[in-house]
Order: sequence, then C-alpha cells, then structure tokens
Amino acid sequence: QSALTQPASVSGSPGQSITISCTGTSSDVGGYNYVSWYQQHPGKAPKLMIYEVSNRPSGVPDRFSGSKSGNTASLTISGLQAEDEADYYCSSYTSSSPLVFGGGTKLTVL
Amino acid sequence: QITLKESGPTLVKPTQTLTLTCTFSGFSLSTSGVGVGWIRQPPGKALEWLALIYWNDDKRYSPSLKSRLTITKDTSKNQVVLTMTNMDPVDTATYYCAHRRQQRLGVLVFDYWGQGTLVTVSS
Repeated sequence: QSALTQPASVSGSPGQSITISCTGTSSDVGGYNYVSWYQQHPGKAPKLMIYEVSNRPSGVPDRFSGSKSGNTASLTISGLQAEDEADYYCSSYTSSSPLVFGGGTKLTVL
Repeated sequence: QITLKESGPTLVKPTQTLTLTCTFSGFSLSTSGVGVGWIRQPPGKALEWLALIYWNDDKRYSPSLKSRLTITKDTSKNQVVLTMTNMDPVDTATYYCAHRRQQRLGVLVFDYWGQGTLVTVSS
C-alpha cells in the first residue's frame, strides 16, 4: 500500500478542468512543502510536472498547477487536452524517508 | 543535455543478486549537490523509490528495502550501480535511474529519467 493516497481514476472532457488529490499525513504532505507531481504516458518514463507543491519546471504548460491544503496536495489541469491523458503520480518528502510516491491516478480525456 | 540509460540483465532467478548500471551524460557526479537515484515500477503498479547517491558519496535507501540494496558510483565513468540481493518474483519491475533536481539536500525531485529497463524474476 502506497504511503500517499490518490484516486484510482479521474476523467474530463477536452477544455474542462480536473483536479487530482494526493492525501498523506502531517509526517509527509502536511509537514513539508516538498510535494511533486509526475506525468507518465504508457510505456514511457515519468516526467516532472510540479515540484515544491506549486512550481513548474521549464517547459511545462501553465495549464498545470499545484496546491496544498493541510495533508492533501492537488494537481489541477485546466483546458484539458487529449495529450494530457496519462497516469499521474504525486510524491513527497517524509519524516521517515526521503521520498514516497502515491498510488497513481489514471486520467482519461473523454 | 542530460541523458541517462539503464543497463543490466532482463531476467534473473529467485535468490540471485541483481546488478544494474546507470550510464549518464550532461552532468558530473562530482559537482556539489548532484545526485542520481533509482526508482522501480512493477507492471501496472505505482512507482517506488529505491535509493539515491550524492556527489559526496552520501547514500540514502528506502527503509523497506535498505537491507537488500547497495548503491555506488564511478565518477570517472559517469556511472551509478545498484545492486539488489535475494531477488524474488515480486521484484519484477521496470527499473529507472534518474537525475536529482538541484535543491535542498535531502529532498528528492527527479527531473531527468532514463528510459527504464524491465527486469523479470523467474526460475
């Protein structure tokens, strides 16, 4: 069982906005501003989309945004596009381990 | 341009030791703050962080796998090697190496990833 809890799947239509949650505890998500999000297309390596809760690496569209409230972090994708269909993983620094991942969320663009 | 590539056996038998090599370019593991990590992903399952080595030879391991893992580096060859002992079928996964993004020490964010290598554990 993953340390961070994500919904198994979310879906949305092109142009809509969706939000993926990542729930942890005060020992990980809630205790540190070191949440990251990765996008993974089938058969491909993960790609960093968000780091330190809300920062985007160069080249990541501003349609992708991150936030955190308490023990739950969120990834929001606005203006959903077909190419956004992928698996998304959150990760966090924790008090007992440098890194844990969430269980992953499959995003389907309808 | 940073690139990483994993290499090693595609098939190992139960109880054997797995040795994987990550060969990278575009950065040096002798530069302060740099780190290279290993992450794995069983088929159809989530990512799992395994280990990381820093430029200064400091090493970090997943608490749940620490007893089975060893990570080393060869700076002159631009390589990082991961060994995992006592392999089991549940260790069947795609193994990735990745470059740690430069930020506060101890915080692991991976901004460049290798393509991954699938390792199957079966007799």
